Amino acid sequence: DGGITQSPKYLFRKEGQNVTLSCEQNLNHDAMYWYRQDPGQGLRLIYYSQIVNDFQKGDIAEGYSVSREKKESFPLTVTSAQKNPTAFYLCASSIRHDNSPLHFGNGTRLTVT
Amino acid sequence: QKEVEQDPGPLSVPEGAIVSLNCTYSNSAFQYFMWYRQYSRKGPELLMYTYSSGNKEDGRFTAQVDKSSKYISLFIRDSQPSDSATYLCAMRLGFGGGATNKLIFGTGTLLAVQP
Repeated sequence: DGGITQSPKYLFRKEGQNVTLSCEQNLNHDAMYWYRQDPGQGLRLIYYSQIVNDFQKGDIAEGYSVSREKKESFPLTVTSAQKNPTAFYLCASSIRHDNSPLHFGNGTRLTVT
Repeated sequence: QKEVEQDPGPLSVPEGAIVSLNCTYSNSAFQYFMWYRQYSRKGPELLMYTYSSGNKEDGRFTAQVDKSSKYISLFIRDSQPSDSATYLCAMRLGFGGGATNKLIFGTGTLLAVQP
């Protein structure tokens, strides 16, 4: 079955440590996205990639980094510079970055203490 | 003012009721409108996808877009306990690359259907 796989489902880290969240898709989609979801704030765009080897900052990119070396993969690194990293992180993809709807993975819950 | 406004609820209805979920928006250039359903601790799942004004029906779900009023709705007929979830509206311009064409989400409405 085609879809988006995010791993792990739950992640715990100590403050000051970098952590990388995995996102893999087998939908053959060109565009991929990372969102952060916090209670009462909806989904906020962190980074997006329209095509391999290209990515752009979203609304809240500070303290995060990404790479897009393969079409299928778009890992997100939460660095120690991110002030409030504890959140639910969602990866999504779409056929292209145009009018296509987004399809989401099941998220990674990151807790930093 | 947020670009997309959505009543957070919670909305509690009895099984079998008709549910109406709504969003308003400020950018008249939005052309593509979506509704997502999100169960607790899961990712959003695309329910409905519509272009411009009009209605679209899929089973018990009807999406309605009124661009003149900048208002979109999702109706759920014969609601079931399994419909209990958070419903997110989303919209985008649909053209142009870059951040201007990002998908903008409402904050979601929490729906509880009581058996």
